[in-house]
Amino acid sequence: SYDLTQTPSLSVSPGQTASIACSGDKLWNKYVSWYQQRPGQSPLLVIYQDTKRPSGIPERFSGSNSGNTATLTISGTQAMDEGDFYCQVWDSNTVVFGGGTKLTVL
Amino acid sequence: QVQLQESGPGLVKPSETLSLTCVVSGSSIGSGYYWGWIRQPPGKGLEWVGSMSYSGSTYYSPSLKSRVTLSLDTSRRQFSLRLKSVTAADTAVYYCARVSDGSGSHADYWGQGTLVTVSP
Repeated sequence: SYDLTQTPSLSVSPGQTASIACSGDKLWNKYVSWYQQRPGQSPLLVIYQDTKRPSGIPERFSGSNSGNTATLTISGTQAMDEGDFYCQVWDSNTVVFGGGTKLTVL
Repeated sequence: QVQLQESGPGLVKPSETLSLTCVVSGSSIGSGYYWGWIRQPPGKGLEWVGSMSYSGSTYYSPSLKSRVTLSLDTSRRQFSLRLKSVTAADTAVYYCARVSDGSGSHADYWGQGTLVTVSP
C-alpha cells in the first residue's frame, strides 16, 4: 500500500509563512490534494491537483509537488488557519490520506 | 450549493452491522461523480472507507473491503454504507463526501459527519 508521511505538528507566528510537507514515493507522479480541518468541523478542500484552489479558498493557500514531496504553503498565516491539515492522493484504485499535520498559529 | 447530510444510529453493538445514509442536495447524484465515505476515529486522522459511482463502479479500502457494502439510490438522491461485524475499532465520525473521478480524485464537498460508537 502507498504511504504518505506528514510532520505531526508545526507552529508559526501570525503573518509568517507556513509550509506543510507531505512525502511519498515518486509523489511527483500523482495529484495531491490538501484538506484543512478546524476543531469540531468537517474537512475542507483547500488545494486539489497539486496547485488548484477551489472557489472561496483564499489566495494565501498554494500548493506544489516535486520529487517525493508535496508542499502546502500558507502565506501571511492568520489565526483562523489553525487546524489539522491532511494531504491525499489516489493510488491503485484507493484514496490515501497522510497522517495529518497540526498547525498552531501563536 | 451542494450539501450532504449523514444519518443513522449513533450506537451499534459489537458484531452487528453499521448502516448509514447520506442524502445529497444541490447536485445530481448521477452527474458523473463518485460518492464516498471517510471516517475518523476520535483524536485520529482520516481514513477512506470507499467510493461508488452512479454507474455502480465501486472502490473500497483494502483493509475494510471484506466488510463494506456501498449502495446508491438515484431516485432518492442518497447513498448508503453498510459495515458488518463491527468492533470497537470501528468507532469513528463517519463523513460522506462527493468525490471527483480520475487520478486527481479529491473530495470537494463533505457532510457534517456523524459519530458512531460501537459498544455493548
